[in-house]
Amino acid sequence: DTGVSQNPRHKITKRGQNVTFRCDPISEHNRLYWYRQTLGQGPEFLTYFQNEAQLEKSRLLSDRFSAERPKGSFSTLEIQRTEQGDSAMYLCASSSARLGNTGELFFGEGSRLTVL
Amino acid sequence: GQQVMQIPQYQHVQEGEDFTTYCNSSTTLSNIQWYKQRPGGHPVFLIQLVKSGEVKKQKRLTFQFGEAKKNSSLHITATQTTDVGTYFCAGGGTGFQKLVFGTGTRLLVSP
Repeated sequence: DTGVSQNPRHKITKRGQNVTFRCDPISEHNRLYWYRQTLGQGPEFLTYFQNEAQLEKSRLLSDRFSAERPKGSFSTLEIQRTEQGDSAMYLCASSSARLGNTGELFFGEGSRLTVL
Repeated sequence: GQQVMQIPQYQHVQEGEDFTTYCNSSTTLSNIQWYKQRPGGHPVFLIQLVKSGEVKKQKRLTFQFGEAKKNSSLHITATQTTDVGTYFCAGGGTGFQKLVFGTGTRLLVSP
């Protein structure tokens, strides 16, 4: 399977704990995005990378959120000191920004976080 | 910051009826994309529009990008039960950078 892969698919944690999600994009894609989606809402932009550079981060994100893409391939999203409001589906998407491509986002299945 | 709104939030139609969802951005867009998300699934790309006033068709689906590049619409002719899901528009700034998703329109089709 050469699609976008995310793990874990589900994570239940207690408030105050740290969690980390991993995303493996489509191999030839140089852009990687993280979105958060709650029930009944559209995906909310968190951050995106072009290769290993983090080009933009949402101002909505607190300092508890950090994302990395150290070698321009997989990415991790870490949430420190989780709060109940962090409960959501965390979606990763990748795209190719090269000339001739539409910039279409390919989404993974998501990582669902539940904070108790 | 950029905001993208969609109306209606929800629509329930009988199979065979038409459906339209409208998307409005607070800022001018360089491009707009449309995605469909089935219940329990992830968003799946449908189409991208780039040019002012552009109209594209995919079988029963017609997509339009407004002249001012601040609004868009998706029209489905003769809905089928397979059209059930939430339809999101997503507006892009210059350079195909981040996409800001709309609030979505949830479509339910009864047989």
